[in-house]
Amino acid sequence: DVKVTQSSRYLVKRTGEKVFLECVQDMDHENMFWYRQDPGLGLRLIYFSYDVKMKEKGDIPEGYSVSREKKERFSLILESASTNQTSMYLCASSLLSGQGVGKAFFGQGTRLTVV
Amino acid sequence: GNSVTQMEGPVTLSEEAFLTINCTYTATGYPSLFWYVQYPGEGLQLLLKATKADDKGSNKGFEATYRKETTSFHLEKGSVQVSDSAVYFCALIAGTSYGKLTFGQGTILTVHP
Repeated sequence: DVKVTQSSRYLVKRTGEKVFLECVQDMDHENMFWYRQDPGLGLRLIYFSYDVKMKEKGDIPEGYSVSREKKERFSLILESASTNQTSMYLCASSLLSGQGVGKAFFGQGTRLTVV
Repeated sequence: GNSVTQMEGPVTLSEEAFLTINCTYTATGYPSLFWYVQYPGEGLQLLLKATKADDKGSNKGFEATYRKETTSFHLEKGSVQVSDSAVYFCALIAGTSYGKLTFGQGTILTVHP
């Protein structure tokens, strides 16, 4: 079964900490994404990557950075966590082209609380 | 820019009722349209899709038709079950966007026995 695995289901961090969220996929997908899910706002794209070492800003990149050193792994970094970054973070992967475009596979999410 | 608007929720229905969740979009060119579902405690998964005008996507008794003239992709099911209780997201991919999905705000559906 195909899988996108996020390293933590729940995290509690302090304001100002540097936070790393890790995501690994086993489907050899080119695309990987980080979304943030908040009630009433749906999913908002933070960053995405369509190849190793490539990254593109999404709709809300401020306060975040990403790293993709290997095809299967995509990390989201909160440089200095703030309380307004308390949210559910979702990682996803998909093919870059062909019939599989748009069929994204999601991890179960990381619920981050910044105190 | 591209955007997706879903009907306000939450939606509460009795089992075997008819379901409609409205979705309209704004996009450049000819987007592909999707419905994703998130069951409690699980990640999002693709429910159905349509890639061109007048296409109908269907899966698990759910259907949605790509209406270019009204820029809509409403989700319907003739008879809902308790197990359909979930959050439903409408989404699109537009143009050369590297497969980047733009999502609506989600609609919570609760089905009572």
